[in-house]
Amino acid sequence: DAGVIQSPRHEVTEMGQEVTLRCKPISGHDYLFWYRQTMMRGLELLIYFNNNVPIDDSGMPEDRFSAKMPNASFSTLKIQPSEPRDSAVYFCASSLTSGGNEQFFGPGTRLTVL
Amino acid sequence: QKEVEQNSGPLSVPEGAIASLNCTYSDRGSQSFFWYRQYSGKSPELIMSIYSNGDKEDGRFTAQLNKASQYVSLLIRDSQPSDSATYLCAVTALGGSQGNLIFGKGTKLSVKP
Repeated sequence: DAGVIQSPRHEVTEMGQEVTLRCKPISGHDYLFWYRQTMMRGLELLIYFNNNVPIDDSGMPEDRFSAKMPNASFSTLKIQPSEPRDSAVYFCASSLTSGGNEQFFGPGTRLTVL
Repeated sequence: QKEVEQNSGPLSVPEGAIASLNCTYSDRGSQSFFWYRQYSGKSPELIMSIYSNGDKEDGRFTAQLNKASQYVSLLIRDSQPSDSATYLCAVTALGGSQGNLIFGKGTKLSVKP
């Protein structure tokens, strides 16, 4: 299996622009997670899906952030409008229903908002 | 507030020594515990999982769990410079036999040749 795939790997944008991050989970995994990692706050869970349904979005920082999972093989995280404080590395991870929550991470998207 | 606490380090050990990484968690209901390794600029990589009290060994790595003390640790024997990374402890949230994990902020390990 190719593992979790994320795109783009790097994104540089200007404040106020819309940013869309993409994720393809490992085939057969029922759970998909979006995290944000910064030096100050560490790895923070933003939202997670089970069988394409959002289960917990309490980590989404504000209404500028939205996430969708239209099918089992694709998810997006959108920031509109983007702000400099959104600069971080965004990871997508997936896991099986069984297997004790072992999550497998994608390579991440490094977002810089100028 | 569910929390996972780790010493941020850096923890510096000489090559060949045993590195001991520690983690405490606040949620008594947690059932599953994980150690992830993250190299600089890379994504977290799962290296150990443990679900019951006691020790679990995998090669040079040993995970130890004590649910009564809400404590989990990772021992790395015969440490190598390639083990230099940040180690993240992760714990299931309450009722989270499936679902999300809570991550500590990580301990940075440096193995000196």
